[in-house]
Amino acid sequence: GDSVTQMEGPVTLSEEAFLTINCTYTATGYPSLFWYVQYPGEGLQLLLKATKADDKGSNKGFEATYRKETTSFHLEKGSVQVSDSAVYFCALTEWDMRFGAGTRLTVKP
Amino acid sequence: DAGVIQSPRHEVTEMGQEVTLRCKPISGHNSLFWYRQTMMRGLELLIYFNNNVPIDDSGMPEDRFSAKMPNASFSTLKIQPSEPRDSAVYFCASSSFKGGASDGANVLTFGAGSRLTVL
Repeated sequence: GDSVTQMEGPVTLSEEAFLTINCTYTATGYPSLFWYVQYPGEGLQLLLKATKADDKGSNKGFEATYRKETTSFHLEKGSVQVSDSAVYFCALTEWDMRFGAGTRLTVKP
Repeated sequence: DAGVIQSPRHEVTEMGQEVTLRCKPISGHNSLFWYRQTMMRGLELLIYFNNNVPIDDSGMPEDRFSAKMPNASFSTLKIQPSEPRDSAVYFCASSSFKGGASDGANVLTFGAGSRLTVL
């Protein structure tokens, strides 16, 4: 079945560092891809999405490009802030919604 | 819109007791999902409903778990009897979901979660 595999955490970075969180997927058809973020004590929130190959989703300085040839949707940010500390989930939807295991990011001042 | 509303936010109970978690989805959304989150297993899809009908309950751990959606504005997840290993945060999410859609319509809106502790 459809599945998402994302980079194991935790990830610890200094403020203004470059962030990459890897995500690859397996799907039978043409899924939509998402990144969700979970701040402490809260539910998941949509961060960005892409619905077809070569689409780039972006929000709050984060970007991810839907790469069909490598079945990937890696999350990137050029300069992280302390407020970006959270757990990030890659997700795929086709017939339901499947999430990766989550990657905890801690940004230190 | 108040978003997806879950209750209770926190519940502490003793092993063997019945637990009922409640969810009110966003008005107009046609799909509702129940997830369980633990440190060990991450975020697991338990069951989802489309137009109040259960579509896939293969993630429900065992017969102790049951979920209902009697109408478009309410769903329950029940655990009877509860066990310590059921301790987790349970999330409800809703969506205007279209299976197989590639137009990005399948964005989930999550509730704040119900943290369950079974002693």
